[in-house]
Amino acid sequence: DGGITQSPKYLFRKEGQNVTLSCEQNLNHDAMYWYRQDPGQGLRLIYYSQIVNDFQKGDIAEGYSVSREKKESFPLTVTSAQKNPTAFYLCASGTSGSEQYFGPGTRLTVT
Amino acid sequence: GENVEQHPSTLSVQEGDSAVIKCTYSDSASNYFPWYKQELGKRPQLIIDIRSNVGEKKDQRIAVTLNKTAKHFSLHITETQPEDSAVYFCAASTSGTYKYIFGTGTRLKVLA
Repeated sequence: DGGITQSPKYLFRKEGQNVTLSCEQNLNHDAMYWYRQDPGQGLRLIYYSQIVNDFQKGDIAEGYSVSREKKESFPLTVTSAQKNPTAFYLCASGTSGSEQYFGPGTRLTVT
Repeated sequence: GENVEQHPSTLSVQEGDSAVIKCTYSDSASNYFPWYKQELGKRPQLIIDIRSNVGEKKDQRIAVTLNKTAKHFSLHITETQPEDSAVYFCAASTSGTYKYIFGTGTRLKVLA
């Protein structure tokens, strides 16, 4: 399915804990993206990265952090500073001005 | 800032009828316009796309039209079927950049 994977599929955490979501791609894409999707809502950009060791904040970066140490990997950490972290998180990869390929998503529940 | 407006937010049609979803973009440099379909609980998947050097593109029951002057592009689904029920997102992007701007989505319900 497009060579982009996310793990785990479901994740449960207690409030106040940091949690890291994994995203890996083998498509040799330069760019990777993280989106948050709340029930019945659209896709909101958290962070994106165009190249290794560089990333830019999206529209809702507060309470999240990322790293891009390898071209294939773009993990997202949801920190305790994120006030309402329960959501569906989608990772995507792509090339300039072309299709984005989405991973299967991670559904995070924080109680 | 740059944005993409998408209408309507919900759309119900009878099976066999046509459905049209419209998007308007603000960045005149945008030159790539994809449409994604997202079924419940699944990932968005590309169903059709169009580049700015083309006015219309068709793939079986799905077509996309682009009006660069008005900065509008539309998705047309003909002979709708129940399996077309999903959320559809438009997006705009520009070659040479990696920024994607998504529309807010349209929930399409095809009534049998």
